[in-house]
This record gives sequence, C-alpha cells and structure tokens, in this order.
Amino acid sequence: GEEVAQTPKHLVRGEGQKAKLYCAPIKGHSYVFWYQQVLKNEFKFLISFQNENVFDETGMPKERFSAKCLPNSPCSLEIQATKLEDSAVYFCASSQWGPGLAGSEQFFGPGTRLTVL
Amino acid sequence: TQLLEQSPQFLSIQEGENLTVYCNSSSVFSSLQWYRQEPGEGPVLLVTVVTGGEVKKLKRLTFQFGDARKDSSLHITAAQPGDTGLYLCAGATSGTYKYIFGTGTRLKVLA
Repeated sequence: GEEVAQTPKHLVRGEGQKAKLYCAPIKGHSYVFWYQQVLKNEFKFLISFQNENVFDETGMPKERFSAKCLPNSPCSLEIQATKLEDSAVYFCASSQWGPGLAGSEQFFGPGTRLTVL
Repeated sequence: TQLLEQSPQFLSIQEGENLTVYCNSSSVFSSLQWYRQEPGEGPVLLVTVVTGGEVKKLKRLTFQFGDARKDSSLHITAAQPGDTGLYLCAGATSGTYKYIFGTGTRLKVLA
C-alpha cells in the first residue's frame, strides 16, 4: 500500500493482559520502526527491522515486549502482561532506506492508542 | 544515552509573528530530520538535513543544520494558525539503526 497501516486504532486492556498491535509498512520499504509516544510529546524508540531481521532493539523492554516482521505478514508488537505505564500511542514507521542516509524518510502510520486499566 | 533537547517546550504566538525552535545535542548526527505532528496523527516529515551548515527552505520555514552537526534550528516567518502542531527533530548517527527524537515543541498560533 501507499500508506503505513496500523491496527487496531484503539486497544483497551486490563492490567496483566496481553496486547498485540499490527503494522503494514508501505510496499517496497525495507525498514520498519516502532515508537512509543507518551504524554503527547516524548517519542521513545523501541525497535527497528530491516525486512524480517531485527535492526536495533535497544529501546525494547525485553521482559514483556516482543516484535516480529515476517514475510508476507503485517509486522507486530506484542506486550505480555501489560502495565499501567504501557498506556501510550504506539507508532509504526517505514522507510525505503536506513537511518542516516540522505534520502531516508520515515513514513508514519496513524498510531494505535493503548489504554491499560 | 543520546539526547536531543528542544526549546522552547511550548510556544503560543499571534498570527504574523516569527519564531525559532532549537534542537540541541552533544552527539554528532549524520542526518537530522524535522517533523510536524497534528493531534491524532503520525508525524509528517518536513525536511532532512545532512551537511554541516546546510540551510533548507520550505515556503515560510527555514531549517539550519549546525556546522558541527550537533544542533539544528527551525525558523518560521509570519506564522499562521495552520502552523499549529507539535514540532519534532530526530537524528540518526552513523553506524546506528535508529532515530532519536527530540523532546518536542508544541506550537500554537492564534488568529
């Protein structure tokens, strides 16, 4: 597709429940990035992929967060045993080229708002 | 930890005024991008700068990358209500595989 698609738009979970978010990158884009936006300002990098390979996962709280980008499937971000502080908007972005290159541009999806009660 | 500090954090101005937003770091970036985000949407790229000292213009917006590639500024001339939004800078360093976002500047332009 021509746009990054994210589903669902909203997700409500009770504390301790699992949450799974999906992202379909723009066709032809090799790089996928997940971010967490809290307090409407701060963007926290979580993980990046080059095709199905993890590129950088230094932002992931690994004990509860996991992510995959498998061929011919939407990418996914899964949170096991959600906590109140996981409440945020999760954005996915895709780009044709990797970070740091002159022609690289991230295209963002509309985000998934996760509310943990 | 790489940090990108933006200032000011909030800005409320009248239509027609000029403003400058700053993005500062102690790290050197191979590229730096500016985004604008509107409520309920993802950020949209405004510009990418890659060369120290580079200046780029996008209509009433002027972007500058510092000579040492550690800082950047965004200047808006004659601001309009349509400029209202969250402005974010994001940097990438050589050899890393991620973008670091700035702390954000929330701009409100009053008619």
